[in-house]
Amino acid sequence: QQKVQQSPESLTVSEGAMASLNCTFSDGTSNNFRWYRQHSAKGLEVLVSIFSDGEKEEGRFTAHLNRANLHVSLHIREPQPSDSAVYLCAVVNYNQGKLIFGQGTKLSIKP
Amino acid sequence: GGIITQTPKFLIGQEGQKLTLKCQQNFNHDTMYWYRQDSGKGLRLIYYSITENDLQKGDLSEGYDASREKKSSFSLTVTSAQKNEMAVFLCASSISGTGDTQYFGPGTRLLVL
Repeated sequence: QQKVQQSPESLTVSEGAMASLNCTFSDGTSNNFRWYRQHSAKGLEVLVSIFSDGEKEEGRFTAHLNRANLHVSLHIREPQPSDSAVYLCAVVNYNQGKLIFGQGTKLSIKP
Repeated sequence: GGIITQTPKFLIGQEGQKLTLKCQQNFNHDTMYWYRQDSGKGLRLIYYSITENDLQKGDLSEGYDASREKKSSFSLTVTSAQKNEMAVFLCASSISGTGDTQYFGPGTRLLVL
C-alpha cells in the first residue's frame, strides 16, 4: 500500500528566501503527483501536478520528481507572507483507485 | 470555473447524535469525494461516488453513510458522533476518475461535546 511522508513537519523561511518542501513515497509505479496548499479555514488549492521525472514549474512553484529515489519536492521562489499555509503532497495510486496524501508541512513566511 | 460549497461551515454535536454534512458542486463533475482531516495527519478518504446514485467505500467508511442524491450534490452522515471528536471534513470533485485533478471545498469543522 502506498505510503506518503512529508518533511519537515513545519518550516519557517524569511520572505524572499527559497522554501523547499519534501515528500517521499513507498511505491514508485505511480506517475501522477500533486502539491496542494491549504490556507487556514479554506479548502485545498492545487499548485502543481507532475507526471514524469524532472521539473514542472507553475509560476513561483516548481515541483521536482525523482521516482527512482521515491521523492518529489516543491520549491517556492520568493515566498511572501501570504504563502504561509499547510502544503500537502498527494500521490495517485491507480491500483487502489485513490489519491494518497502526506500529513502536510506547515510553512510560515517571516516578513 | 466552478465552486464547491459545503454546509454547514461549523457543526457542533452531542455524543451519539446523527449529523449530516452537505456538499454541492457546479463544475458538472462526475466524481465526488468525502475526506476527513485530523490535525497532523493527511486526508483520509471516507466515501466517493463516480456518478449519481453510486457509492464507493474509502478507507474510513465505518461510522459514516453517504448519499449522492444528484450529480451536483453529495451528503455525508456521521451515524453516531463520538465524544471529543474534532476534525475537518472536506468534499472534493473531479471530472471523472482517480487521475483527474480533485477540487476541494472549504470544509466543515466538526466538534463533538
